[in-house]
Amino acid sequence: NAGVTQTPKFQVLKTGQSMTLQCAQDMNHNSMYWYRQDPGMGLRLIYYSASEGTTDKGEVPNGYNVSRLNKREFSLRLESAAPSQTSVYFCASSEDRSQPQHFGDGTRLSIL
Amino acid sequence: KQEVTQIPAALSVPEGENLVLNCSFTDSAIYNLQWFRQDPGKGLTSLLLIQSSQREQTSGRLNASLDKSSGRSTLYIAASQPGDSATYLCAVIIAGGTSYGKLTFGQGTILTVHP
Repeated sequence: NAGVTQTPKFQVLKTGQSMTLQCAQDMNHNSMYWYRQDPGMGLRLIYYSASEGTTDKGEVPNGYNVSRLNKREFSLRLESAAPSQTSVYFCASSEDRSQPQHFGDGTRLSIL
Repeated sequence: KQEVTQIPAALSVPEGENLVLNCSFTDSAIYNLQWFRQDPGKGLTSLLLIQSSQREQTSGRLNASLDKSSGRSTLYIAASQPGDSATYLCAVIIAGGTSYGKLTFGQGTILTVHP
């Protein structure tokens, strides 16, 4: 009964370092999403993948890249981390846009 | 640009009370609306989803209504319990938007139910 699994749960980086956030879902969903949550800004879409093999930019894509590795997995990469990317990152999935989105527990990322 | 507003920002009620959370959105051309709860330090849990052609959805003690023409949704919680304490978020998907499935979120209502 895992749903959407995100790793790691916590991470501290130094400015300029790179890292990849992992996300996997076991619900056979077609669509997957990456959001970030910041105080006062709410949740904002970074990138999404409507179906396996496709990825598109969301509202705040600058500084990020994504890979839809297969139907289950959707990763988010920070190539050169900046303090402005300190946030809580959530991965979500859905059957399609008419169906509910299901969220993981998030990755809390701090960049010093 | 679609904007979603939730009122009140915070609400504290005694156990057993019925309550209503409000959500409004500026662009009535929505695909659907979804209500979530978020517990501290946790992810979002989907509560109810209302398609644009629907007027309401019910799940247990929760009832969500949608009035698309006026740009409003309400989440009704009956017989509130301390376990209902959480932040409640509403979010909409814009119809015909350029970002497939992009949820636009409100800032949330922090609900505290005290025994």
